[in-house]
Amino acid sequence: AQKITQTQPGMFVQEKEAVTLDCTYDTSDPSYGLFWYKQPSSGEMIFLIYQGSYDQQNATEGRYSLNFQKARKSANLVISASQLGDSAMYFCAMREGDAGGTSYGKLTFGQGTILTVHP
Amino acid sequence: AAGVIQSPRHLIKEKRETATLKCYPIPRHDTVYWYQQGPGQDPQFLISFYEKMQSDKGSIPDRFSAQQFSDYHSELNMSSLELGDSALYFCASSTQGQARDQPQHFGDGTRLSIL
Repeated sequence: AQKITQTQPGMFVQEKEAVTLDCTYDTSDPSYGLFWYKQPSSGEMIFLIYQGSYDQQNATEGRYSLNFQKARKSANLVISASQLGDSAMYFCAMREGDAGGTSYGKLTFGQGTILTVHP
Repeated sequence: AAGVIQSPRHLIKEKRETATLKCYPIPRHDTVYWYQQGPGQDPQFLISFYEKMQSDKGSIPDRFSAQQFSDYHSELNMSSLELGDSALYFCASSTQGQARDQPQHFGDGTRLSIL
């Protein structure tokens, strides 16, 4: 069974507008972490934002925020004020066994969403 | 700040040849992960090491082996290469003592092409 599902293969957004990239996950582990990474066409993986399963507040990092709905098992990424440089592949990933302030668990990735920002 | 260093950045091999990919983690990071990303695919976990011992194993073919050395750098050895091994190979590092919100830090990857 797919642990991370990103249902939007591609998304388009106008420059300066906000966009939401969807991510749902499946785990029976009560302690986990959710990550979003950006992969430009050049290939590198750039960390954007993290949400822990026990975090009470939604994570925010500059123009990135995470809409975390634990009961629905969703962790959608919201990019505000889109820029041309935001055009890239975006991956949602999960790390299970995220308890106790330490973690060495592998990341499981979703299929990714290609975001295209139009001028 | 120092990042994860992978070498080489690009590698071209022929079928049945061998390849060695190297990864130098961020200083003081004790855990290394290897991922394989096929064309148009999401990264798939291969193997990880903590303090020079294998800590987890994913979908790594038997033709591949890896190890972590005393200086914490890691090498992924690939033998009897097949066309399907063409992919972007990422190394990532972290430390078990890190705060929960610290991510795995990825290198820029090695792009392996099998002819």
